[in-house]
Amino acid sequence: GENVEQHPSTLSVQEGDSAVIKCTYSDSASNYFPWYKQELGKGPQLIIDIRSNVGEKKDQRIAVTLNKTAKHFSLHITETQPEDSAVYFCAARWGGGGADGLTFGKGTHLIIQP
Amino acid sequence: SQTIHQWPATLVQPVGSPLSLECTVEGTSNPNLYWYRQAAGRGLQLLFYSVGIGQISSEVPQNLSASRPQDRQFILSSKKLLLSDSGFYLCAWSAGGETQYFGPGTRLLVL
Repeated sequence: GENVEQHPSTLSVQEGDSAVIKCTYSDSASNYFPWYKQELGKGPQLIIDIRSNVGEKKDQRIAVTLNKTAKHFSLHITETQPEDSAVYFCAARWGGGGADGLTFGKGTHLIIQP
Repeated sequence: SQTIHQWPATLVQPVGSPLSLECTVEGTSNPNLYWYRQAAGRGLQLLFYSVGIGQISSEVPQNLSASRPQDRQFILSSKKLLLSDSGFYLCAWSAGGETQYFGPGTRLLVL
């Protein structure tokens, strides 16, 4: 199966600065990498995703990069705002099995300091 | 558009009592459905998934079970709750592709 490592577990940045969260995966056959944002007491919400045939994807202040050779992918948030404070999860879809095979990282608690 | 509902939102149950959590999806047909558990400050653990009515696969052996009586309904059950069953239970759906969409969750506290 797949194993996803996510770092850091907690990240504190000043409002307006950039935040970067990194994940590594173990299965070279993984081909889909979503990122979710979870606010306190709510379900995770998909914020951006990337497939293995693309190296980078951007959506306004959010971008994701993928390095298939090194088997890692990163979430970049620029010009951070207070509403970006949340827990962020990365995931990888491995090619080996059913249920769409998503394996999640353990999450990063992002804190935006005013 | 598609929406996913879970209820109840919060539940406090004594140890040894039964459990039934419900999840329904609107606006799509034949979705893949998932139950996850999230312990406090932890990641998401996949418990069950279903690719169709009556088809349930278990990822983690435990005292929980799941059923899918209708195409867009997924139920998580237990005959006797344990203290360790406390957590945040999330239902998710996908259209048979890669992207999973989560519901609002049910917070379960077993006392």
